[in-house]
Amino acid sequence: SQQGEEDPQALSIQEGENATMNCSYKTSINNLQWYRQNSGRGLVHLILIRSNEREKHSGRLRVTLDTSKKSSSLLITASRAADTASYFCATDANSGGYQKVTFGTGTKLQVIP
Amino acid sequence: KAGVTQTPRYLIKTRGQQVTLSCSPISGHRSVSWYQQTPGQGLQFLFEYFSETQRNKGNFPGRFSGRQFSNSRSEMNVSTLELGDSALYLCASSLGIRVQGHYGYTFGSGTRLTVV
Repeated sequence: SQQGEEDPQALSIQEGENATMNCSYKTSINNLQWYRQNSGRGLVHLILIRSNEREKHSGRLRVTLDTSKKSSSLLITASRAADTASYFCATDANSGGYQKVTFGTGTKLQVIP
Repeated sequence: KAGVTQTPRYLIKTRGQQVTLSCSPISGHRSVSWYQQTPGQGLQFLFEYFSETQRNKGNFPGRFSGRQFSNSRSEMNVSTLELGDSALYLCASSLGIRVQGHYGYTFGSGTRLTVV
């Protein structure tokens, strides 16, 4: 499996519900980032959590990081139809002396009005 | 301030041709990374440039190359196009290369390349 695998692959919820997406990775990381992508467009950076942080909040977003389990979760509270998009985690790790950002496979979220 | 600009937005090329894509990063950003996105492979890292030097490279054949200019603008070139090169090519800029700190990317809208 790839560095950075999201689970579930797809998620469909009603507006107002919470959405939780998980990301698992393999190697030690410096930080983990979450991005959002609307269909066929570029990715938008949502939040970055460093390896020494356990939880981070930004508006309706809550990210947790468990380095012992090599996993992270993204929680979107009180979802809106406009949250419909694909969400990617990206791990930032050492690679040959430089940092390398590797993206996961993404979770496709559909929020039904 | 202006975001990351990628041109062209859409491109259709024939097998065997070559193509050059352009990316202008956010003003002040010195790092530019390129990614290929396909439904089957997801986001695959191509290369990263910082201060006109390639700092990191993914696992793509030599047909894929890039460069960065003194104004941080970057181009990527794909020679001898194959059908499998059809993809969304995304450029991302950041303040610096990762080893200098923790920076998130700002992505452009991408160039949709179709090889026929």
